[in-house]
Amino acid sequence: EVQLVESGGGLVQPGRSMKLSCAASGFTFSNYGMAWVRQAPTKGLEWVATISYDGSSTYYRDSVKGRFTISRDNAKSTLYLQMNSLRSEDTATYYCTSPVYWGQGVMVTVSS
Amino acid sequence: DIQMTQSPASLSASLEEIVTITCQASQDIGNWLAWYQQKPGKSPQLLIHSATSLADGIPSRFSGSRSGTQYSLKISRLQVEDTGIYYCLQRYSNPWTFGGGTKLELK
Repeated sequence: EVQLVESGGGLVQPGRSMKLSCAASGFTFSNYGMAWVRQAPTKGLEWVATISYDGSSTYYRDSVKGRFTISRDNAKSTLYLQMNSLRSEDTATYYCTSPVYWGQGVMVTVSS
Repeated sequence: DIQMTQSPASLSASLEEIVTITCQASQDIGNWLAWYQQKPGKSPQLLIHSATSLADGIPSRFSGSRSGTQYSLKISRLQVEDTGIYYCLQRYSNPWTFGGGTKLELK
């Protein structure tokens, strides 16, 4: 069974950092490009970042460029999202996706 | 950036009715179009990939089609479990972009 399990979310103050993880199982993680997608409360889906299957290429939406870093460890079948200089508008549920398979999501709340 | 204009924003339909949702791409995206269903409090589920291919385990009442840069999701006979919010997603180029969503309810 394919599973994507996110962790690392919670409440964080503006300007601080947080790192999300996504542990994959049930498929050959190293064969797939992966992405982070977020959804603010009551809003639609918004792509955040993508990483190629081998980690050699990464892409970001403009609003997170220079603040967020997507990475992966294929030996551990784990995807990461390092989020720095967090803003209130980054408050959302963050999903990792293959994008066939999706995790259950992890909530990130940026508030003082 | 490629814009995906999804319509309608909301839809109320009866059981067994045929439902169609569309996404208009602002430029050519080939077949790099997927459809997702999202239920409240849940993560999205892939329904259709490559514009017309049914994802594994998805009922055959769901189908996707393409006419130029317009993409459609059709539910041939609406069931109770089909309520939720539907999104299209283009992965032709970065940034990936989603449609605004269609909230489907039962009448």
